Amino acid sequence: DGGITQSPKYLFRKEGQNVTLSCEQNLNHDAMYWYRQDPGQGLRLIYYSQIVNDFQKGDIAEGYSVSREKKESFPLTVTSAQKNPTAFYLCASSIEMFDGTGDGYTFGSGTRLTVV
Amino acid sequence: DAKTTQPPSMDCAEGRAANLPCNHSTISGNEYVYWYRQIHSQGPQYIIHGLKNNETNEMASLIITEDRKSSTLILPHATLRDTAVYYCIVRGRGTSYGKLTFGQGTILTVHP
Repeated sequence: DGGITQSPKYLFRKEGQNVTLSCEQNLNHDAMYWYRQDPGQGLRLIYYSQIVNDFQKGDIAEGYSVSREKKESFPLTVTSAQKNPTAFYLCASSIEMFDGTGDGYTFGSGTRLTVV
Repeated sequence: DAKTTQPPSMDCAEGRAANLPCNHSTISGNEYVYWYRQIHSQGPQYIIHGLKNNETNEMASLIITEDRKSSTLILPHATLRDTAVYYCIVRGRGTSYGKLTFGQGTILTVHP
């Protein structure tokens, strides 16, 4: 079955360390996204990529970095510069152009990062 | 994309219909109404979408008013597992997906 896999589901990090969250999709989607969600809040866009080897900053990119070397993969690194990294991180992928169908945007199951 | 407004929370008794409203008064002619839901600690899940006609699938029904300025998501027989945050989003056909804007949505609590 096609889908998005995020790993790990739970991650603990010591303050001052970088950590990389994995996101892999086999939906042949062109675009991929990283969102952050804090308790009781909506989703905020960190980075997105519409094509391999290219990506753009979202609304809250500071303290994060990404790469898109393969169409299937869009890893997110939470750096020590991110002042408040404890959050729920969601990866998504989509077809490039919205065509009015229902299945063009798919989310992973998320990674909960806790800084200790 | 048009902005949407939803009530912050709603309650529903198990087995009864849950009717979740959404206002999108600035919607334009080519914009679809989408509904997603997010169960605690999971990614949002697509439920249903529509343009101007009412829609029904195995999960829910979507009623869009004739002027398209508001819509209602109906879960006909709510179960405890329907407790989640429900997001209403508007998106125009032919636009690059880019980011989808998920506001705070409606927290639906289904109680026994």
